[in-house]
Formats: sequence, C-alpha cells, structure tokens
Amino acid sequence: KNQVEQSPQSLIILEGKNCTLQCNYTVSPFSNLRWYKQDTGRGPVSLTIMTFSENTKSNGRYTATLDADTKQSSLHITASQLSDSASYICVVSATRYKLSFGAGTTVTVRA
Amino acid sequence: KAGVTQTPRYLIKTRGQQVTLSCSPISGHRSVSWYQQTPGQGLQFLFEYFSETQRNKGNFPGRFSGRQFSNSRSEMNVSTLELGDSALYLCASSFYPGLTAPALHFGNGTRLTVT
Repeated sequence: KNQVEQSPQSLIILEGKNCTLQCNYTVSPFSNLRWYKQDTGRGPVSLTIMTFSENTKSNGRYTATLDADTKQSSLHITASQLSDSASYICVVSATRYKLSFGAGTTVTVRA
Repeated sequence: KAGVTQTPRYLIKTRGQQVTLSCSPISGHRSVSWYQQTPGQGLQFLFEYFSETQRNKGNFPGRFSGRQFSNSRSEMNVSTLELGDSALYLCASSFYPGLTAPALHFGNGTRLTVT
C-alpha cells in the first residue's frame, strides 16, 4: 500500500492564480516531510521541510502546512508564475533509513 | 559550489546489455543515494552509500548494483537490461549518512532507454 498519496495527479491554472496541492500519508513513525519541486528534465529540488512540531512554513510564494494529527500536508502556491510549472513531490521520512515518496502532482501554469 | 553531476545524460541500450551510470556528489558530501523514476511508479529508492559502504538498499533485483569510491563518487550498474528498466535514474547527495532530515541534492539524472 502506497504510504504517501498526493492529489490531484495534475492540474492546470492560469498565471497569477493560486493553487493548493495535497499530501496524505500513513507513514509511522513520522520524522519529517519535505516538498520537492522537479522541473522537466531536471532533478528534484527541496522547497520546504516540515517537522512534527511545525504547522506552517513559507518559502517565497510557496507555503507548506502540516497537520500531524490527521497526517496531512498541503503546499499552497500563491500568484502562480509560468516558472511554477513543474512536478511537486511529497517525501515523508520515518526512521533514519526510510523515505516514502508520493507520485507527485504535475502543475501546468498557462499564460 | 558545483551541484551533483550525473553522466551520461542520455543512454540507449539493447535488452540483455549492461550499463554503468556515474554520479559525482557535491564537494564535501559523503552520502550518495540512487533512485529510479518512472511515470507509473514515481521515485523509487535503489540504494545508498556512505564512506564506500552500502548502508541501505531498496527492493530491486540483484541486477542493480552500485559502488562508491574513496572520493565519494558513485557508480550504478544494471546488468542484463530489460525493457522495464527504461527510466530516469537520479542520484542524490547529502552531507550526513542516512536519508532523513538533511535535504537530498539531486543531479539532473540519466535517461536510460532500453530497446
């Protein structure tokens, strides 16, 4: 059973609009959760890291939230730009040697 | 500081052949991990090396192997290639051993096509 579920699988938004990506996980125990951005033809790049005690963290126009009780995280993109077109991957760490990857959400920003 | 470098960027092989991919980590990073990425499966962990020792291994057949050299550079080898091995192979480095807490710094991958 996939321990990290991301939704939606893909979405299309107009430039300047906001969008929210979801990540639900069943990984236990929980160590941290990272959101990565992967541009086409490139490797993933870390956007944010959330630990158990953190609820919200921002990185420019990207804001991640974490609800450790419901095991849900979201990534909100504000005032989207064409450069936000990418795949966004949620990665949850359990123990030191266990990472669980979501399948990713593909975001397409249209002018 | 230079990022993670993977070579080659693209590779086309025939079924039954073997292939070797190379990864040079960020200077000072001693942990290198490898991942397979396909549209259907997403990112899947292959193995991780630290100080020339394999520290962790994913659920892949023995045809997939790797090694790390004393300068932290790593290679991954796939023998007896199958069509299903076609994928983007990503290497990531980090300063600490293990896979949690520190961010993984990924290379841009090697796109392997098996025909």
